[in-house]
Parts: sequence; structure tokens; C-alpha cells
Amino acid sequence: AQSVSQHNHHVILSEAASLELGCNYSYGGTVNLFWYVQYPGQHLQLLLKYFSGDPLVKGIKGFEAEFIKSKFSFNLRKPSVQWSDTAEYFCAVIPTGGGNKLTFGTGTQLKVEL
Amino acid sequence: EAGVTQSPTHLIKTRGQQATLRCSPISGHTSVYWYQQALGLGLQFLLWYDEGEERNRGNFPPRFSGRQFPNYSSELNVNALELEDSALYLCASSRELGRGYEQYFGPGTRLTVT
Repeated sequence: AQSVSQHNHHVILSEAASLELGCNYSYGGTVNLFWYVQYPGQHLQLLLKYFSGDPLVKGIKGFEAEFIKSKFSFNLRKPSVQWSDTAEYFCAVIPTGGGNKLTFGTGTQLKVEL
Repeated sequence: EAGVTQSPTHLIKTRGQQATLRCSPISGHTSVYWYQQALGLGLQFLLWYDEGEERNRGNFPPRFSGRQFPNYSSELNVNALELEDSALYLCASSRELGRGYEQYFGPGTRLTVT
């Protein structure tokens, strides 16, 4: 069965710092990859997705992620975080032909301090 | 465009009772998914319905069941409630099978079993 690992459980950054959240998955075949965000008091929102093509994908609010197939990784990045980026971030994967079952990582709680 | 809606927001039940949770997908979406977000266990896939049929099921006992109605809304039923069923239950929807796997999430139903 596939699994998703998010190594950073809690991250604290100052505003304007750069962000990189790690995500690794275990599955040998083709996958679709996602990052979701959950702002305090709000529901899960799709941040960005990778299905195929350019491995560098851009999402909303200045976020981007790079798919590195050889490393089974899909790390999330943002050059300069804002206080409003404080949220929980989830990496998720669906293997192609995997029955539409999203497998989520355990999440990374990001706190951005002023 | 209205998002995924879920009802009720909160539900309190006692052990052994049954709980019914409801979900209305985004207009035009035919697939509905249910996930459980339990403390310490993360987000786990429960069920997937498309065009009224159960398409995939996670590693949950048969007392977790559901259905999808002709208007694509869905119900999740949990029978013989146990204390460990206390969790946030999230519903998601996506466009029809084969057209991509972006799942959009609702705000969830918080189920508390006492």
C-alpha cells in the first residue's frame, strides 16, 4: 500500500523567510500529487496539484512544488512567507488507477511569526 | 459556485447508537468521497461513490456504510458507534470518473461519541 511521509510536523518561521516542506511517497508506479492547506477554522483547500508534464507546478498564493520522480518527492516551497500562511499543510497522493483514494501525509503545522 | 456542504456541523451520540452524516457535492460533480480525520490518525479514506455506486472502500469495518442518491448527494452511516469513532468526518467531491482527481472538501461533521 502507498504511504506519504511529511517529515516536518511543526515549523515556525518569521515573516519573509523562505519555506520548504518535505513530502515523500512510497509507490512504484505513476502518481498524481497534491498539496492541501487547512487555515485555522477553515476547511481543506487545494493548494496545487501535479498530474503530468512540467515537474515544477505553481499553485495559489505564491506556492510552488517540484516533483522529483527519482526521489519520490513532492516538496512545497514559497520564497517569502506571510503571517496569513499560518496553517496546516497536507501532502497527498493518488496512484494512477488507484481508485481515487487520496492517501494523506500526517500534515505539517506551519506558524509564521510577525 | 457553492462548495461542498455537510450537515450537521456537530453530532453527539452515545456508544451503540447510529449516526447519519450528509453531504452535498459541488454542482456538476458526480463523485463523493468520505474521509475520517481522527486525532493522532490523520486523514483516512473511508468510501468513494460515483453515479450511485460504491467504487472503493478504505480499511474500515462494515458498520461504516453509505449511499449516494440520484442527485449525487451522499449519506454516511455509522452503526454501533464506538468511542474511537469520535472524529471529524470530511466529505469531498470531484468531477466524473476519468476526468481528473481533484477533490474538493467540505467543512466536515464533528462526531463525538460518549
